Amino acid sequence: GAVVSQHPSRVICKSGTSVKIECRSLDFQATTMFWYRQFPKQSLMLMATSNEGSKATYEQGVEKDKFLINHASLTLSTLTVTSAHPEDSSFYICSAALAGGPGEQFFGPGTRLTVL
Amino acid sequence: DQQVKQNSPSLSVQEGRISILNCDYTNSMFDYFLWYKKYPAEGPTFLISISSIKDKNEDGRFTVFLNKSAKHLSLHIVPSQPGDSAVYFCAATAWGGNEKLTFGTGTRLTIIP
Repeated sequence: GAVVSQHPSRVICKSGTSVKIECRSLDFQATTMFWYRQFPKQSLMLMATSNEGSKATYEQGVEKDKFLINHASLTLSTLTVTSAHPEDSSFYICSAALAGGPGEQFFGPGTRLTVL
Repeated sequence: DQQVKQNSPSLSVQEGRISILNCDYTNSMFDYFLWYKKYPAEGPTFLISISSIKDKNEDGRFTVFLNKSAKHLSLHIVPSQPGDSAVYFCAATAWGGNEKLTFGTGTRLTIIP
């Protein structure tokens, strides 16, 4: 149990386009989902916390107008990178927390974004 | 401000021996700690966790030790196997908060056959 999927796994786009990444909890309801990004050989950096039905909470330094997060249901959260630029190229990972869990999160397989 | 630190970026261990990965934290509000294993281009996989009310938690070949006074935790893997080769991240959170995880920078473990 506790499987989280992400789609797409890999995307290459031109600079200026928008890219949407989906994160789904397949066999449980996630009241909270998290979005991370990871640069090569670096740690996972939390971008935002997404709660179903409410606005996402962004970490300091993360542009909320650039990284749009929608958490429409208890099993789906989406991250849209708007007007992507080469510096947005990264590995984006989502995770989902079980309700009442003390911090244990289940991670998706990640999405590799390359902006040309 | 790196609140969770893994000072060893890499570690090589002979197969069958013990692997010890270390992690230090600075935020005294953290009271729940987790270890994740990550392969390239994949999401992290949960390994083991420990609450601040304990100083040791064991699950099969994996044992996590917590020293609250030193703000230090370690993951022991014994015996080490080739499939253990991966990047290991420790993470910390403050239970009762918003469940945000703060990750360390990771340690790449290589098991030598």
